[in-house]
Amino acid sequence: GNSVTQMEGPVTLSEEAFLTINCTYTATGYPSLFWYVQYPGEGLQLLLKATKADDKGSNKGFEATYRKETTSFHLEKGSVQVSDSAVYFCALLTGGFKTIFGAGTRLFVKA
Amino acid sequence: DVKVTQSSRYLVKRTGEKVFLECVQDMDHENMFWYRQDPGLGLRLIYFSYDVKMKEKGDIPEGYSVSREKKERFSLILESASTNQTSMYLCASRGGRRGPSNQPQHFGDGTRLSIL
Repeated sequence: GNSVTQMEGPVTLSEEAFLTINCTYTATGYPSLFWYVQYPGEGLQLLLKATKADDKGSNKGFEATYRKETTSFHLEKGSVQVSDSAVYFCALLTGGFKTIFGAGTRLFVKA
Repeated sequence: DVKVTQSSRYLVKRTGEKVFLECVQDMDHENMFWYRQDPGLGLRLIYFSYDVKMKEKGDIPEGYSVSREKKERFSLILESASTNQTSMYLCASRGGRRGPSNQPQHFGDGTRLSIL
């Protein structure tokens, strides 16, 4: 079946450090891939998405590239800020209704 | 801008009570979802609806029911609340018809429900 695996957290970084959060997936067909972010006390919000192989999604300095050959969609940011502290969810959507979410990775950024 | 509104941020109820959680979206979306979020378990889908009066079970429907009488409103009902239903409940909506879609979900801010 379809599934998403993302690296366990928490991830703790200093401000201005480079961020990578790994995400790999298993899916039939050609899924769309998403990263969502959840700030403390809030619901999830879309961070970026990619809908086909080799697409790069980007937003707020974050990037992720849809790699079909490695079934991956790793999230990266060149220089994190304290305000990026949150939980990040990788997700996929194939034909149908259900979005499959990863378990989430908590990021702490220290000043 | 897209808006999904959940009626309560915090709710405290007693065991055995019938509990209603309400969700309203203003985007004319066909699809609406209820999840619960628990530490270490991520998001788990309870029920979803792809049209008015239509509903389908998600991964953990036991102990819950839903109602979708109008397109913009999706209610989650705990028939007889139990302590193991203490959790964060998230409502979401998504545009696009049934079938292939690349539309993201839009989430409310969640309802933290405690059952005593």
